Amino acid sequence: NAGVMQNPRHLVRRRGQEARLRCSPMKGHSHVYWYRQLPEEGLKFMVYLQKENIIDESGMPKERFSAEFPKEGPSILRIQQVVRGDSAAYFCASSPQQGAYEQYFGPGTRLTVT
Amino acid sequence: GDSVTQMEGPVTLSEEAFLTINCTYTATGYPSLFWYVQYPGEGLQLLLKATKADDKGSNKGFEATYRKETTSFHLEKGSVQVSDSAVYFCALSLTNTDKLIFGTGTRLQVFP
Repeated sequence: NAGVMQNPRHLVRRRGQEARLRCSPMKGHSHVYWYRQLPEEGLKFMVYLQKENIIDESGMPKERFSAEFPKEGPSILRIQQVVRGDSAAYFCASSPQQGAYEQYFGPGTRLTVT
Repeated sequence: GDSVTQMEGPVTLSEEAFLTINCTYTATGYPSLFWYVQYPGEGLQLLLKATKADDKGSNKGFEATYRKETTSFHLEKGSVQVSDSAVYFCALSLTNTDKLIFGTGTRLQVFP
């Protein structure tokens, strides 16, 4: 069984460009979570999505960041007009149902903004 | 607000030594508690969990007991191996939300 897949694993963007991070959940999982890990810090929750719905976006910055999880295809985390402070590792996790507590993590995308 | 505090690393041990990584939490309500492990270049893997007070989670020789009176969930292992070298994250999840709240992580380095 394939685990949670994220691509790309490494992404380099210049300031002002857009970054698109993709996450394919485990087979049969319809709940996706995005977390951000800044250097030397723990993971911080960003957003929780189900298919075609944003359930909790309390951790998302108010500007430049958006997320979607369409009916078909992977979940996308989009960062517009990136700045150096966006450099971080972005992790996606999935679970099969709400309240299941166990989240399965992908390997992460390491974004570097130059 | 809700938070998790872990001891700072790195923790450096010789093989077969005893391991303790401290974790305390602050939460409104009754959280579930977790330990995740991150090996170099990989995502996080669930190591163990406990969902109510006095529960003991265990896996691969690691143990942690949910202590409500001290709001703690310390990770222990009786005899570490070189292959245990990784970053360990303590986390909580509240019953009314699915998001995980993580500590900053503790790096463990085990030498032969």
